[in-house]
Amino acid sequence: GQNIDQPTEMTATEGAIVQINCTYQTSGFNGLFWYQQHAGEAPTFLSYNVLDGLEEKGRFSSFLSRSKGYSYLLLKELQMKDSASYLCAVRDLGEYGNKLVFGAGTILRVKS
Amino acid sequence: NAGVTQTPKFQVLKTGQSMTLQCAQDMNHEYMSWYRQDPGMGLRLIHYSVGAGITDQGEVPNGYNVSRSTTEDFPLRLLSAAPSQTSVYFCASSYSRVGVEKLFFGSGTQLSVL
Repeated sequence: GQNIDQPTEMTATEGAIVQINCTYQTSGFNGLFWYQQHAGEAPTFLSYNVLDGLEEKGRFSSFLSRSKGYSYLLLKELQMKDSASYLCAVRDLGEYGNKLVFGAGTILRVKS
Repeated sequence: NAGVTQTPKFQVLKTGQSMTLQCAQDMNHEYMSWYRQDPGMGLRLIHYSVGAGITDQGEVPNGYNVSRSTTEDFPLRLLSAAPSQTSVYFCASSYSRVGVEKLFFGSGTQLSVL
């Protein structure tokens, strides 16, 4: 089975940096994804890590440590539009192929 | 660019009724899946398919059926609706069948079962 843990809520100030952590336990780990979901909308893809280390994409970066079962999403220069839920998802080997299992999500509130 | 199309957007059912949520994608994606999203529980996988004729169960398959007769379509059937199935449902697809890559989501269906 899988177990994915994220903080429930976080609050940060516009212009600041925030780090959202994700820990996971899974039997067939095969990659980790981060998605952003604004209220009332569908999730959209942010980043993907399969090897250890940091992946940077503009204001957003994602880090993975497979030995520790740990990832984080780093958001720099926060903007009000970054207020959303951030979902950590682990790709896990299933019988017919890979499936994506999500954590409960972290609600980020950006205040001015 | 239609992407992943889900219908209906909203639905109200009475307990015991059956219905089908439609999902279609025009990106020639092999991989398709259905999730439900409930407050505090995140997205939970109901069923997924890695290609036409192949389906498998996710975390919460009970009460739902799926079929994949074509690459484009992946309908989700509620056999006998229950209040516990009140949720927001998302269909999602990905181009790879071997290793699911980033998912493209439909806009969601808000279902209420009274």
